Parts: sequence; C-alpha cells; structure tokens
Amino acid sequence: ETGVTQTPRHLVMGMTNKKSLKCEQHLGHNAMYWYKQSAKKPLELMFVYNFKEQTENNSVPSRFSPECPNSSHLFLHLHTLQPEDSALYLCASSQSGELFFGEGSRLTVL
Amino acid sequence: GENVEQHPSTLSVQEGDSAVIKCTYSDSASNYFPWYKQELGKRPQLIIDIRSNVGEKKDQRIAVTLNKTAKHFSLHITETQPEDSAVYFCAFRTGYQKVTFGIGTKLQVIP
Repeated sequence: ETGVTQTPRHLVMGMTNKKSLKCEQHLGHNAMYWYKQSAKKPLELMFVYNFKEQTENNSVPSRFSPECPNSSHLFLHLHTLQPEDSALYLCASSQSGELFFGEGSRLTVL
Repeated sequence: GENVEQHPSTLSVQEGDSAVIKCTYSDSASNYFPWYKQELGKRPQLIIDIRSNVGEKKDQRIAVTLNKTAKHFSLHITETQPEDSAVYFCAFRTGYQKVTFGIGTKLQVIP
C-alpha cells in the first residue's frame, strides 16, 4: 500500500456522459499529479498541483477538468470524451522527489 | 518543451547477463533523475534515482550513471533475473515538481 488511493478502478462511459475520477493520498505530500498511460504515449503528464494550486497543465483538452480542493484530494472531471481518451489514468503524489502512484483508473470511452 | 528520449524500446537478455537502458534529456536545468519499474498490471515504482551533483549511484544489482554535460543518464542492471522483467521508465524533473517520463523500455529476461 503506497498511500495513494484511486476510485473507481474501472469506468466505462459514453461520449455524452459526465463522470469523475478521485484520488486521495495519506502521505502528507504537497504535490499531486494526473498522468495518462496508453499504449501510444506511456505516462503522459496531464496536470500538477502544489499546495492545491495548479502549476502544470500539459496542453490537456478542456474536456478534462481537474480539481484539487486540498493537498490530499485530487479529482479529474470528465465530459464529452472521445474514444481515444480510453486509457489508464494514474494519480501520484510527491513531497520533493519520488512519485508515489495509485493503482490507476482504467477508463473506456464507448 | 521538455522531453526525454529513451532507448531501446525493447530489450531481451539471458538470465545472468547485464541490461543497459539509456536516456537523453533536453532541459539543462534538470536536477533529479529517477528510474521507475512497472510490472504488468501494476503501478510504476521507483527503483533508483540520482541527483545532479552525483555522477553515479549503485544499489545492489542496479546502478545509474549521469553525464550532465552530455545530458545522458543510464540504468544498469547486472546479473539479471526473471523477476527483473518489466517496463522501465526514465524520468527527469524540471521546475518545482514537474516530472516527465520517457517512453519506456520493455525488458525481458530469458531464463
């Protein structure tokens, strides 16, 4: 157990649905991340938050909307996604070096 | 933007042989270079890291070398074992907390 929990572990949604991914870390870290992992572009950085403030947006389409209400929780709100958005979405946290990853949320967009 | 080139993309070695994976990064301001191992169906986990004030670091069968002038860093695994089979990612950190990963190397250790 690395202290980073992601829910749901699996999600199937249609292109018109709205859903959210949740990440929670119990490690006291100040930074949280969303990464997308697919066969074409493994471990692609999406967003970085430091102390609840977004510090990186890696040119992510607006159909992905992150939210960080506090240093322990991170959400990824999804709406009007495309089939090519199907991937494993990994959350991670960090203090000053090592990233601790969650198990990931496997997303399938139909 | 920042990027890192990693090669080879796949690597097969006989058990007991050594494996070397190389990465080249773009941002000369980078100061932290971790390596992650991802076994099939599992999350990536850190196996070794190196900071820019060090040229080499070793942990049992795993070592990492860094050449800041050439912007190269490499992972060396000696006496490979079947359980070393996994995907290995190099990464580097820029800015305050931005960590960018390479495309990954799928290592297969043949018994």
